[in-house]
Parts: sequence; structure tokens; C-alpha cells
Amino acid sequence: GNSVTQMEGPVTLSEEAFLTINCTYTATGYPSLFWYVQYPGEGLQLLLKATKADDKGSNKGFEATYRKETTSFHLEKGSVQVSDSAVYFCALSDENTNAGKSTFGDGTTLTVKP
Amino acid sequence: DGGITQSPKYLFRKEGQNVTLSCEQNLNHDAMYWYRQDPGQGLRLIYYSQIVNDFQKGDIAEGYSVSREKKESFPLTVTSAQKNPTAFYLCASWGGRDTGELFFGEGSRLTVL
Repeated sequence: GNSVTQMEGPVTLSEEAFLTINCTYTATGYPSLFWYVQYPGEGLQLLLKATKADDKGSNKGFEATYRKETTSFHLEKGSVQVSDSAVYFCALSDENTNAGKSTFGDGTTLTVKP
Repeated sequence: DGGITQSPKYLFRKEGQNVTLSCEQNLNHDAMYWYRQDPGQGLRLIYYSQIVNDFQKGDIAEGYSVSREKKESFPLTVTSAQKNPTAFYLCASWGGRDTGELFFGEGSRLTVL
């Protein structure tokens, strides 16, 4: 079956530090990959996505590249802000199985200190 | 604005009581999902529906029930058979193959006293 493994948290950084959150996946088909962000007390919202190998998703200064050879989709940001403090989820959606039925990692909590 | 509306945001229940969580969407999406989130864990799929009047069990369906009588609505009932119901519940709808994106509500936090 499909699975997603995320870097364990929590992660604490100072403002303007570089961020990497690792994500690797196992899938039988050719999944689409996503990063979702969850702010305290809220639901998840899409941060970025990539639908095929070597695609780079980007949004709000965050980036992630779909690496088929290493089955990875690591999230990066060059300079984090306090407002980036949230829980980040890596996910995959394999449309060869049940469309929209996504598999999520356990989430990584990021705290950015001023 | 289009989106997913969940209610109530907070709910307290005594043991032995059933409770129903509401989920409404005005995005015209066919597929809808219910997830459970526990502290430090990822999202686990409870039930999903890909079309009106049809739904399937997810990974942790025991103790839960759903209905899908209207495209816009996908309520979740947490029954007394659910042994550990205290959790954060998230409803989502799927944007289709073009986007692949799940759209989430703001969640309902259920606490059993």
C-alpha cells in the first residue's frame, strides 16, 4: 500500500533560518505529491503540489521537488518567519486507486522564534 | 466564498451518547471525506463518498456512520460504539483530477466527558 514518512518533529528555528522538512513516500503507481499546512485550531490548506517527476511546487517562499529516483518530496524555505509556525503535512494521492483518497504523513510541527 | 463549513467547532458529549458532526460544501465537488486527527499523528480516513447516495469505509470506520443524501452535505455520526471518540475531526472535499487538491473545513473538536 501507499505510505508517507515525514521527518520527526518538533522543529524549532530562529527567524530567517533555513528550513528543510524531509518527506519520503512509497506508492505503487505515479502519485501526485502535496504539502499541506495547518495553523493552530484550523483545518489543513494546500501549500504546494507536484504532479510528476522533477516538477517543482512553490508557494509563499516554500519549495519542494518531486524526486522519483529517491521517492522524496522535501519541503524547503530559505528564510522562515514567525508566521510560518504551523504543522506541515506531506501527502500523496494516487489516482490509479481511489481518486482523492490521500495518504498523509504524521505531520511536522514547526516553531519559529523571533 | 466557496468552501467547507463544519459545525459545531467544539462539542462535548457524555459517554454513551451519539453525536452528529455537520459538513457542508458549496464547491460542487462530488467526493467528500472524513478524517480523524489525534495529537502528534497524521490524518486517518474514517469514511468517504465519491457520489451522492454512496459511501465507503475508510481505515478506521468502526463506531462511526455517515450519510450522503445531498451532494452538499456529508454528516458524520460518532456512535457510542466508538471506544475512544475524543479527537479533532476534519471534513474535506476533492477538487478533482485537474487540481488533485483536498479542501478542508476548519474541523470539529469532540471531547467525551
